[in-house]
Amino acid sequence: DQQVKQNSPSLSVQEGRISILNCDYTNSMFDYFLWYKKYPAEGPTFLISISSIKDKNEDGRFTVFLNKSAKHLSLHIVPSQPGDSAVYFCAASAVNNAGNMLTFGGGTRLMVKP
Amino acid sequence: EAGVAQSPRYKIIEKRQSVAFWCNPISGHATLYWYQQILGQGPKLLIQFQNNGVVDDSQLPKDRFSAERLKGVDSTLKIQPAKLEDSAVYLCASSLGTIQETQYFGPGTRLLVL
Repeated sequence: DQQVKQNSPSLSVQEGRISILNCDYTNSMFDYFLWYKKYPAEGPTFLISISSIKDKNEDGRFTVFLNKSAKHLSLHIVPSQPGDSAVYFCAASAVNNAGNMLTFGGGTRLMVKP
Repeated sequence: EAGVAQSPRYKIIEKRQSVAFWCNPISGHATLYWYQQILGQGPKLLIQFQNNGVVDDSQLPKDRFSAERLKGVDSTLKIQPAKLEDSAVYLCASSLGTIQETQYFGPGTRLLVL
């Protein structure tokens, strides 16, 4: 039972254009969402997060949008750069879970072409 | 500030053998996590420690996996005996606290069971 899904295994974008990565979740108890970036042979690196009390959070070139009614979040990267090429994971947690357990999606491989 | 350290980086064993992984979290981080990441999937939480106590081990296959965090700092994860399906990357992460705290990941240990 996948509670967090990333339906696009890969995405290819031209340098300078917008990259949009999508994530869907099924557990209505989730109220905190994160995006991690992973390069080969490295551990995931935290990118940006959003609480369920917001619908948008922005940090430089990265913006995360949350649509609670649709149980959908997306990560926008503008403009995309070749160094953004990596696997992106979305993750979710429930604040009432004292264990801060993160549930991850399967990842989307982003390729930014020069 | 030093990040999360893990060793070894790679390990190849035969099925039914035992193996152990070591993790040193970021200094001052009370919470430590072990994740299993099978190729093509997102990380899956195995066990979470708060200081030296277990917070969540609901997804740890306790018949063959064990973990400890003595003195609330370093941690070891052991598999005995290993199965072919245990081939994966084992990631250690740490965070300052629990609720909605960013988790910082180590580079992982890639295990291949033959």
